[in-house]
Amino acid sequence: DTAVSQTPKYLVTQMGNDKSIKCEQNLGHDTMYWYKQDSKKFLKIMFSYNNKELIINETVPNRFSPKSPDKAHLNLHINSLELGDSAVYFCASSPGGMNTEAFFGQGTRLTVV
Amino acid sequence: QKEVEQNSGPLSVPEGAIASLNCTYSDRGSQSFFWYRQYSGKSPELIMSIYSNGDKEDGRFTAQLNKASQYVSLLIRDSQPSDSATYLCAVSGNNRKLIWGLGTSLAVNP
Repeated sequence: DTAVSQTPKYLVTQMGNDKSIKCEQNLGHDTMYWYKQDSKKFLKIMFSYNNKELIINETVPNRFSPKSPDKAHLNLHINSLELGDSAVYFCASSPGGMNTEAFFGQGTRLTVV
Repeated sequence: QKEVEQNSGPLSVPEGAIASLNCTYSDRGSQSFFWYRQYSGKSPELIMSIYSNGDKEDGRFTAQLNKASQYVSLLIRDSQPSDSATYLCAVSGNNRKLIWGLGTSLAVNP
């Protein structure tokens, strides 16, 4: 029944490791996003995909690579994790692009030690 | 100047009062405006969207938009302790990106 689901919910890993976060939405939305929320609670967009096509790629280290196998899925792979990558990562989707309301997944709390 | 500004709070109101949350934005071409609520440790949840000048009401919530003055506000009537959360303002501008404020923390005291 979950609209936007992402896994895992918690991720604790060591510096230098590679990890992935998966996201799926069953709302039939065309647009999906990855957001990062840091310890100061600032919500910053990282990537946006529309129908599997990358449309927004903010200034994000190229260690972060999104992949959208179909319009219902958007995964995030992170290489060579650093301490500063610790944050909550949210997946979201919207029906018609960034000027329409976004629906968020429950978030993945990533802790790099 | 930050693109979307909110008073971080905390804003403290007694139960049953009206809570007023404000947001200003810098991009005059902004067209879409959203209020989200985020409980601690949870994801943002959409409360209201507004696209044209004036007021929009939904239950206890009223969004107010004034494009000339570049502000959007959220009023919560009959505030309840369950309304205690961080309220995020998000604005979609000319470049169609959604820009987020830092949020206002609201505490409703029983």
